[in-house]
Amino acid sequence: EAQVTQNPRYLITVTGKKLTVTCSQNMNHEYMSWYRQDPGLGLRQIYYSMNVEVTDKGDVPEGYKVSRKEKRNFPLILESPSPNQTSLYFCASSHKWTSGTFTGELFFGEGSRLTVL
Amino acid sequence: AQTVTQSQPEMSVQEAETVTLSCTYDTSESNYYLFWYKQPPSRQMILVIRQEAYKQQNATENRFSVNFQKAAKSFSLKISDSQLGDTAMYFCAFMKPSNAGNMLTFGGGTRLMVKP
Repeated sequence: EAQVTQNPRYLITVTGKKLTVTCSQNMNHEYMSWYRQDPGLGLRQIYYSMNVEVTDKGDVPEGYKVSRKEKRNFPLILESPSPNQTSLYFCASSHKWTSGTFTGELFFGEGSRLTVL
Repeated sequence: AQTVTQSQPEMSVQEAETVTLSCTYDTSESNYYLFWYKQPPSRQMILVIRQEAYKQQNATENRFSVNFQKAAKSFSLKISDSQLGDTAMYFCAFMKPSNAGNMLTFGGGTRLMVKP
């Protein structure tokens, strides 16, 4: 089954305690990205990757890090979480737009609810 | 930069009736995609319908259809024969392919309640 898998789905942590949210896709997608969802703001892109070892900032990158060492994995790292990073996080993947299989659709994981106390 | 605006934070409709959700966007691009995503209480993001800007014909998927007005930069979603399972948050989104890894720019969402 084609899917994007995120873990953990729920996490409560404290300010300053480093955490990692993992993301893995099994569709051989070139592009991967992270979004955060906040009430009234929709989803906003945090970071994206267009290839292994190629990452770049999205619209709201402050306080986050990412890495792309393998094509299928794209973890999101919060080195020193703060309460303003309490949010719902989504990982997404897609083919690159020049591929013959590109349909415009992004495939989303099921979301990770993070609370920072 | 692109912006997407959904002016209706909440809406309700009676089961079996028709409802239209509004979306406007701002862009200087000529080639792009527009989407409607549904987010039920499970939080999963589900693609409802997509529209390619160069296609003049409005997209349709079963009970879901759009009214795409490119010149007016408007992209509304019509849900016909509303069902209880349509209760969800709906997001309108814009994509310029290749830009920032196929980044989606989302509106703030419309919470739809279907009443029995």
